[in-house]
Amino acid sequence: KAGVTQTPRYLIKTRGQQVTLSCSPISGHRSVSWYQQTPGQGLQFLFEYFSETQRNKGNFPGRFSGRQFSNSRSEMNVSTLELGDSALYLCASSLEGHYEQYFGPGTRLTVT
Amino acid sequence: AQSVAQPEDQVNVAEGNPLTVKCTYSVSGNPYLFWYVQYPNRGLQFLLKYITGDNLVKGSYGFEAEFNKSQTSFHLKKPSALVSDSALYFCAVRDISSSNTGKLIFGQGTTLQVKP
Repeated sequence: KAGVTQTPRYLIKTRGQQVTLSCSPISGHRSVSWYQQTPGQGLQFLFEYFSETQRNKGNFPGRFSGRQFSNSRSEMNVSTLELGDSALYLCASSLEGHYEQYFGPGTRLTVT
Repeated sequence: AQSVAQPEDQVNVAEGNPLTVKCTYSVSGNPYLFWYVQYPNRGLQFLLKYITGDNLVKGSYGFEAEFNKSQTSFHLKKPSALVSDSALYFCAVRDISSSNTGKLIFGQGTTLQVKP
């Protein structure tokens, strides 16, 4: 099976802009979670989607949003980018009833 | 609140020697514990998990982990380290504070350096 894919892999944006990141889960996986990884804060949970519904949300401002489509693909959007949003954004998928998550390679976002 | 601690920022070991990467956790109920490895510019790779059952869990690439409930620890081990094991290792616990959630809480990570 193909793994979790994320596009784009690298992105450079300017402060104030918005960005959309995409994630395609492993075939058959209906749960998709997003995490932000930074050197200072480590890995932090953003949100989780299952069957097109947000099931859980981390402690991030409303500028961070996401959605899931009927084919389980997910997108996350960050509006009004700030320098502190520079990070590696990781998407993970899991099979319902199984506890481990499988991660994609991430999208490296740099905000200048 | 659930939390995970990895007390060592870096672990150095010689190739062929056994390695241990430490992890302690704090949860209010039964812990669901995981180890992941991250290579430079890559996502996280799942190594192993403890949900229930035997305290010694075997995973990918020859890694294993020992669950110790009394010490609230879940240390990652390997009998013989390889240079290719050099990477960043994360311990994680599943947030069970609300039902039906897949949220993982991660430790800060431990860099493993295996020298030839």
